[in-house]
Amino acid sequence: GNSVTQMEGPVTLSEEAFLTINCTYTATGYPSLFWYVQYPGEGLQLLLKATKADDKGSNKGFEATYRKETTSFHLEKGSVQVSDSAVYFCALSIPGGGADGLTFGKGTHLIIQP
Amino acid sequence: EAGVTQFPSHSVIEKGQTVTLRCDPISGHDNLYWYRRVMGKEIKFLLHFVKESKQDESGMPNNRFLAERTGGTYSTLKVQPAELEDSGVYFCASSQVAGRTEAFFGQGTRLTVV
Repeated sequence: GNSVTQMEGPVTLSEEAFLTINCTYTATGYPSLFWYVQYPGEGLQLLLKATKADDKGSNKGFEATYRKETTSFHLEKGSVQVSDSAVYFCALSIPGGGADGLTFGKGTHLIIQP
Repeated sequence: EAGVTQFPSHSVIEKGQTVTLRCDPISGHDNLYWYRRVMGKEIKFLLHFVKESKQDESGMPNNRFLAERTGGTYSTLKVQPAELEDSGVYFCASSQVAGRTEAFFGQGTRLTVV
């Protein structure tokens, strides 16, 4: 079956620190990969995505590269801000695979301190 | 354009009672998904509607859960009778084309069964 494994938090960093949240996956088929973010009191929002190997998704200073050889999609940001504090979810879907729902990791709670 | 809306935002019910959650997708989105996050665990897929038809309900935990989408617009998810382990956050999402376009999520309904 499909599964997503991501580092569990909470992850606490100081403002302007470098961020990496690891994400690895197993999938039957060729997945599309996503990072979703949930800010306090809000719903899930798509942060970035990649649909094929070596694609890089980027948004709001965050980046993640689809690495097929290591089945990974690690999220990075060079300099985090307090406003980045949120829960981050790595996810995959298999387009046309019959089950079009997303498979999520457990989420990583990120806390950025001033 | 209005996003995905869910009602209620919070619900506290006693074990054995019935609760109905509602989701209004983005207008024109044929695909509607229900997910659930139990405390500290992954967001799990429950089911997928295409218009009024259930495309995939493999994630529904048991027959105490009933989802409907009459007319292919809004959807309801009824839990009857509720058990303690049903507590969690229930998310709804919608998309235009299954698996190939972004899924937009609502804010979720936090259900607490006491």
